[in-house]
Amino acid sequence: DTGVSQDPRHKITKRGQNVTFRCDPISEHNRLYWYRQTLGQGPEFLTYFQNEAQLEKSRLLSDRFSAERPKGSFSTLEIQRTEQGDSAMYLCASSSTTYEQYFGPGTRLTVT
Amino acid sequence: AQSVTQLDSHVSVSEGTPVLLRCNYSSSYSPSLFWYVQHPNKGLQLLLKYTSAATLVKGINGFEAEFKKSETSFHLTKPSAHMSDAAEYFCVVSEGAGTYKYIFGTGTRLKVLA
Repeated sequence: DTGVSQDPRHKITKRGQNVTFRCDPISEHNRLYWYRQTLGQGPEFLTYFQNEAQLEKSRLLSDRFSAERPKGSFSTLEIQRTEQGDSAMYLCASSSTTYEQYFGPGTRLTVT
Repeated sequence: AQSVTQLDSHVSVSEGTPVLLRCNYSSSYSPSLFWYVQHPNKGLQLLLKYTSAATLVKGINGFEAEFKKSETSFHLTKPSAHMSDAAEYFCVVSEGAGTYKYIFGTGTRLKVLA
């Protein structure tokens, strides 16, 4: 299967700990997106990369959040000093065109 | 600013009857519109897309949607529901320029009754 993959699929952490998620996009896709989905809501945009450049960050992405995409391949999303409000599903998507995005299965974060 | 409104949070239909999931959008640009489906514990799967070509768009699994600019609507339909259609459905609008990020609706949960 050559779709978008995310690791880990589930993460349980204690409040105040740091967590890092990884996304591997479809190999030829140069655009990569992170979204966050809370229970009962649609996903919300967090940030966007074109190749290795981070071109847009949502206001939802506080200073505790940082994302990287070294060499324009995989991407990581780090959350420092996690809070209970960070509990959500974190989705990664990639695209090679200006149109459809392909989503990974997501990383479900639970902060206790 | 772009936005999407899904008019029903829950829809129940009997197996074999038609499905209608309603979506209205607001966009300053000529929008690209999509419907995605999310089954429990599965990723978001693209059902269909509108990108300024034909206004009636056919997708996978017998779904289709019609873009109506005058009504700013993009409703999703299927002639005959199947049990496997039970899932969460999201209507999405994408910017016509820039990052092409997605703006999602709040979702419609479709229940199919035997």
